[in-house]
Amino acid sequence: KAGVTQTPRYLIKTRGQQVTLSCSPISGHRSVSWYQQTPGQGLQFLFEYFSETQRNKGNFPGRFSGRQFSNSRSEMNVSTLELGDSALYLCASSFAGRGDTQYFGPGTRLTVL
Amino acid sequence: TQLLEQSPQFLSIQEGENLTVYCNSSSVFSSLQWYRQEPGEGPVLLVTVVTGGEVKKLKRLTFQFGDARKDSSLHITAAQPGDTGLYLCAGGGPQAGTALIFGKGTTLSVSS
Repeated sequence: KAGVTQTPRYLIKTRGQQVTLSCSPISGHRSVSWYQQTPGQGLQFLFEYFSETQRNKGNFPGRFSGRQFSNSRSEMNVSTLELGDSALYLCASSFAGRGDTQYFGPGTRLTVL
Repeated sequence: TQLLEQSPQFLSIQEGENLTVYCNSSSVFSSLQWYRQEPGEGPVLLVTVVTGGEVKKLKRLTFQFGDARKDSSLHITAAQPGDTGLYLCAGGGPQAGTALIFGKGTTLSVSS
C-alpha cells in the first residue's frame, strides 16, 4: 500500500505571497490532518478533514485554510505569507481520525523570504 | 488545554548505553503513540499503547503507558547510531473528535 504523499517537497516564497500544498492520503483513509512543525513550537495541529468536511481546527489565523476532495486528497493554503510561516508542513492520514493512528507524509519544507 | 511534556529535550550518548525518554501530562489520554522522525522526513509510528499499565516491546525499545494513562516512557537498551532521531509522543483525546496532542520531542544522538 502506498504511503502518504505530499507535493511539493520544498518551496520558497516571499512575504505576501500565497501557497498551496497538496496531500494524497493512504488509499482507504478518509481523515487527513495537517500540522506545522517548527524547532521552537514542535508539531502544532492546523486542521483535520474527514469526508470533505473540516472536523477539527487548531489555533491558527484565518490565513491558513484547507479543503478535502471527494477522493480524500487534501490541500492547504496559506495566504499573505509571513516570515514566521517558514516551517515543515506535515500531512497525516488515518482511517477515521479521532485519535486514530496517523500515518505521516514526508512533509513540505516551506521557506518564506 | 491538554499538554504533553517530554523530557529530556536533548540526549547525546555513546553506543551501547541505555536511556529513557519521558512523556508526561496532567490529562488522561485514551491512547499514547510514539513516533521517530529523521531529518527532512515525516514522523514514523513506532507503537501505540491504549491500556493503563501496558508495556510493549519492539526489539531494544520498551514502551510503557502509565496506570492512570497520563504518562508514558520509552526505554532504549544498548543504543545504536541508527536510533538517532527525534522521538515524539502523541496523545489521543478521551473524547471522539479530539486531535492528537504532540509533545515537543526528544532529540537523541547516539555516537559510535
